[in-house]
Amino acid sequence: AQSVAQPEDQVNVAEGNPLTVKCTYSVSGNPYLFWYVQYPNRGLQFLLKYITGDNLVKGSYGFEAEFNKSQTSFHLKKPSALVSDSALYFCAVRDGNTGFQKLVFGTGTRLLVSP
Amino acid sequence: DGGITQSPKYLFRKEGQNVTLSCEQNLNHDAMYWYRQDPGQGLRLIYYSQIVNDFQKGDIAEGYSVSREKKESFPLTVTSAQKNPTAFYLCASSILNSGYTFGSGTRLTVV
Repeated sequence: AQSVAQPEDQVNVAEGNPLTVKCTYSVSGNPYLFWYVQYPNRGLQFLLKYITGDNLVKGSYGFEAEFNKSQTSFHLKKPSALVSDSALYFCAVRDGNTGFQKLVFGTGTRLLVSP
Repeated sequence: DGGITQSPKYLFRKEGQNVTLSCEQNLNHDAMYWYRQDPGQGLRLIYYSQIVNDFQKGDIAEGYSVSREKKESFPLTVTSAQKNPTAFYLCASSILNSGYTFGSGTRLTVV
């Protein structure tokens, strides 16, 4: 069975500094990896995904993520944080094998960007 | 525009009452899902459906029921058997084995 770990409940960063939100995963087959963002009292919004190809994936709002197969990680990054990036971030994984596969979500990491 | 619509945005339930949360999508997605989110918590899967007229229990199905009579609709009923229903409920849909599209959520409060 697949699983996702987001080891940090909260990440604090000053505006203008780079940010990293960590995610590690476990799947038996090929991983399909996703990042979502949630603002207060809203649904989750898709940021980016890795299915295959380049290990560095670029997504919405200037975010990117690096797939590292040997470390089974998919960390979310942004070169320069904005106060408006403050939100709850979820990493998710599904097994790329055939057949119906549900997404498994991490517990979320709250990002707080201070002015 | 295509998307998922959840209604109502806020819902209040009295003790012992059943309430139904609506979820409608016009994305032509096959699969639909219901999640519960408690304050400061992650997502917990309640029910999911891969195709019309078929659905499966998730991790926390007790006290909830669903139906999938149409591809576009996947309503969730919170029954009186659910002893702690106050939470934020999220509906999602997907093409099989793709990412999910989420609705904007329904906040349910017991009064």
